Amino acid sequence: GAGVSQSPSNKVTEKGKDVELRCDPISGHTALYWYRQSLGQGLEFLIYFQGNSAPDKSGLPSDRFSAERTGGSVSTLTIQRTQQEDSAVYLCASSTRTGGRHDTQYFGPGTRLTVL
Amino acid sequence: AQSVTQLGSHVSVSEGALVLLRCNYSSSVPPYLFWYVQYPNQGLQLLLKYTTGATLVKGINGFEAEFKKSETSFHLTKPSAHMSDAAEYFCAVSGAAGNKLTFGGGTRVLVKP
Repeated sequence: GAGVSQSPSNKVTEKGKDVELRCDPISGHTALYWYRQSLGQGLEFLIYFQGNSAPDKSGLPSDRFSAERTGGSVSTLTIQRTQQEDSAVYLCASSTRTGGRHDTQYFGPGTRLTVL
Repeated sequence: AQSVTQLGSHVSVSEGALVLLRCNYSSSVPPYLFWYVQYPNQGLQLLLKYTTGATLVKGINGFEAEFKKSETSFHLTKPSAHMSDAAEYFCAVSGAAGNKLTFGGGTRVLVKP
């Protein structure tokens, strides 16, 4: 079956521009996560959506970062006024259950963001 | 709070030799532990996970890991390395609230012919 998909696969932008990154989770998965992978910081949690509950935004690094999930499916991560330190690979993951700690997260291929 | 330490950012092994990747964790709750593999320009793929029960966990591609509570460790092993095992490996622990993952820094494995 189809896995987690992300678009675009690569994004190059200029400092100060806004970008939107998209994630399509596996159909039927109720939980969706965003992570960031960068050379300096490794893999970091950003935000977590579970069903209709309020998202866990505890990992967002600044108020320039926001995310939404429409209809319990597709999610968009938005970065406003991009900075060079935002350059990273942004990974999306989804899982089946209701936020159980043992759930397997299935990852997409990521979006590589480069801020010039 | 949770944290994960992977000893060695790079490991080089000969084809056919033992692969041993070390992972130590810290967790404020009973840990659920994961090993993921990342091939170049791809996302993360689950190798195996420990939740409860048997402490020796077998995963895909011949990998296994043993949970040792007394040592707070979850080391990953494979008896005989294959060229296709060249990748980056990440150990992770799930959080106390929800299951957001905290990852170690990763270990890049190079397999020499």
